Amino acid sequence: AQKVTQAQTEISVVEKEDVTLDCVYETRDTTYYLFWYKQPPSGELVFLIRRNSFDEQNEISGRYSWNFQKSTSSFNFTITASQVVDSAVYFCAPCHNQGGKLIFGQGTELSVKP
Amino acid sequence: ETGVTQSPTHLIKTRGQQVTLRCSSQSGHNTVSWYQQALGQGPQFIFQYYREEENGRGNFPPRFSGLQFPNYSSELNVNALELDDSALYLCASSPETGRSRVETQYFGPGTRLLVL
Repeated sequence: AQKVTQAQTEISVVEKEDVTLDCVYETRDTTYYLFWYKQPPSGELVFLIRRNSFDEQNEISGRYSWNFQKSTSSFNFTITASQVVDSAVYFCAPCHNQGGKLIFGQGTELSVKP
Repeated sequence: ETGVTQSPTHLIKTRGQQVTLRCSSQSGHNTVSWYQQALGQGPQFIFQYYREEENGRGNFPPRFSGLQFPNYSSELNVNALELDDSALYLCASSPETGRSRVETQYFGPGTRLLVL
């Protein structure tokens, strides 16, 4: 069975702090993609970054970076120098090669206070 | 470039009624996916359409049905509405994906459905 776990339900930080969001994906498949989306209060899901399961190199895109550890099936997403506008619910969502179905976790609500 | 659009933005129905939600895909995208997001939960996959054919379906009953048109826009139809169908319905489009590639899905603003 495939299972997406975002153990952190809510996180609160002060502006300019770095924050890391955790995601663990349990699956027997070795090839898949992992997406991160942001959902502000308006409700629209905004695509942030994507990664495949066979590339363990860390990656940085602007203030976003993420780290994949194959041994623990964890995809951790970091926002550097957080801003109030980063306040939203963040979802990780794996997707396998067939069918294009995104499997969403429960989400982590991030609150960035000024 | 126009993004994914959905209509209506909000809708109120009563139990037993039928509803049709609409989605226009982003320019150049031929694949549309629909998701249901209950309050406080992550979105759940309903189905996906690729070139007017269903390309995958989640664990939803047959009263959830869909269509994709030649211009790649799509409709989600729900018959015999139940109270638990109250949710945010999200549509996402993605570029040429075929049946063996994974492309990024770009979401619309959603339709909030309330069933009384």
